[in-house]
Amino acid sequence: DAKTTQPNSMESNEEEPVHLPCNHSTISGTDYIHWYRQLPSQGPEYVIHGLTSNVNNRMASLAIAEDRKSSTLILHRATLRDAAVYYCILRDTSGTYKYIFGTGTRLKVLA
Amino acid sequence: NAGVTQTPKFQVLKTGQSMTLQCAQDMNHEYMSWYRQDPGMGLRLIHYSVGAGITDQGEVPNGYNVSRSTTEDFPLRLLSAAPSQTSVYFCASSRSENYEQYFGPGTRLTVT
Repeated sequence: DAKTTQPNSMESNEEEPVHLPCNHSTISGTDYIHWYRQLPSQGPEYVIHGLTSNVNNRMASLAIAEDRKSSTLILHRATLRDAAVYYCILRDTSGTYKYIFGTGTRLKVLA
Repeated sequence: NAGVTQTPKFQVLKTGQSMTLQCAQDMNHEYMSWYRQDPGMGLRLIHYSVGAGITDQGEVPNGYNVSRSTTEDFPLRLLSAAPSQTSVYFCASSRSENYEQYFGPGTRLTVT
């Protein structure tokens, strides 16, 4: 299974944009890039996913490098409620239904 | 919709006891899965199911059994609890393999 690498932690000021990086140098052509976040004492929550093109939704944007070896989750204006652990996951679509979670990036938002 | 529900919220077991963690979803999702999350760690996949009657192993299946007799329910059975199974257990469901997963609130299990 392809692996992802994320920084252990990041800080951001409230109301400012946040760029959360993820490296996935062994990604295969059939892997989707998924992002989930986990607020304290809760189950993970879906944020966004994509394959090759950049993606936008109401929560965030996902920027995928042209070679697909890295991606960046963009929160356009961080709020205190965005403080969470963010997981970047590769979803293998070649036949197995497996999400491999890493340890994620803990985002701290400063008021 | 209630989404994904899990019971119980908390459970304490003695070593060697068995129990079943319940998971149910009311979204008619085909795909369901069980994860465990140890302190300070990410989630690890235990077992998953792609539809009623079909289950498969994830990363850490040893010591756990599952079955999927209905679309709605996906119980996780601990056969003989061990302290190493102390963890928070999350159940998730999704419409299909390429759609987002919805997670339940978790069951916090302590084995003494």
